[in-house]
Amino acid sequence: QSALTQPASVSGSPGQSITISCTGTSSDVGSYNLVSWYQQYPGKAPKLMIYDDSKWPSGVSNRFSGSKSGNTASLTISGLQAEDEADYYCCSYAGSNSWIFGGGTKLTVL
Amino acid sequence: EVQLVESGGGLVQPGGSLRLSCAASGFSFSSYEINWVRQAPGKGLEWVSYISTSGTIMNYADSVKGRLTISRDNAKNSLYLQMNSLRAEDTAIYYCTRAGLSTYTFDIWGQGTMVTVSS
Repeated sequence: QSALTQPASVSGSPGQSITISCTGTSSDVGSYNLVSWYQQYPGKAPKLMIYDDSKWPSGVSNRFSGSKSGNTASLTISGLQAEDEADYYCCSYAGSNSWIFGGGTKLTVL
Repeated sequence: EVQLVESGGGLVQPGGSLRLSCAASGFSFSSYEINWVRQAPGKGLEWVSYISTSGTIMNYADSVKGRLTISRDNAKNSLYLQMNSLRAEDTAIYYCTRAGLSTYTFDIWGQGTMVTVSS
């Protein structure tokens, strides 16, 4: 099973909004409302930012929001800040106790 | 503090074996499903394996099926990954992750342990 498709990189200026897309298939993203998003700084473990397509874990800024349409999920970061510069990964449940990740997107804050 | 701490990584020759451990603390370990996720150097995240709360249901990515075995000891609050017939492409940081919030979400991650397969 191939990885979910994410853009390799996105960039934005402080204060702007950016959106990272995550495209899967009708067997994963399109079948379940179970897409999650993770933020990862270099040399650190991933951190959960969004789960079940659009829910926020406690302590995560509401500048981060998730949405989904068909087989494509999206992560939007509004009011971009320097500290948001990191790698972002989407992940979808794929049925039968299996999961699939996206290839990752490097966010650069200009 | 809710915590997962991996150990057991290291350098192993192709075809060799290694056993990773993950120690849980700060939560009711037996109530949560747990997964292993890995990340090759400079690459993205890859789901590796799943285990149910009782340890009776397991699943594996196709890339590791038949070579890696996940298990848990709820009495010891510990998760394990037995790795056999290791290949160069298994070189990665291995993270244990708790399926919390929803059982389909990885809400708590360990710091990872590095496995290097090389001669």
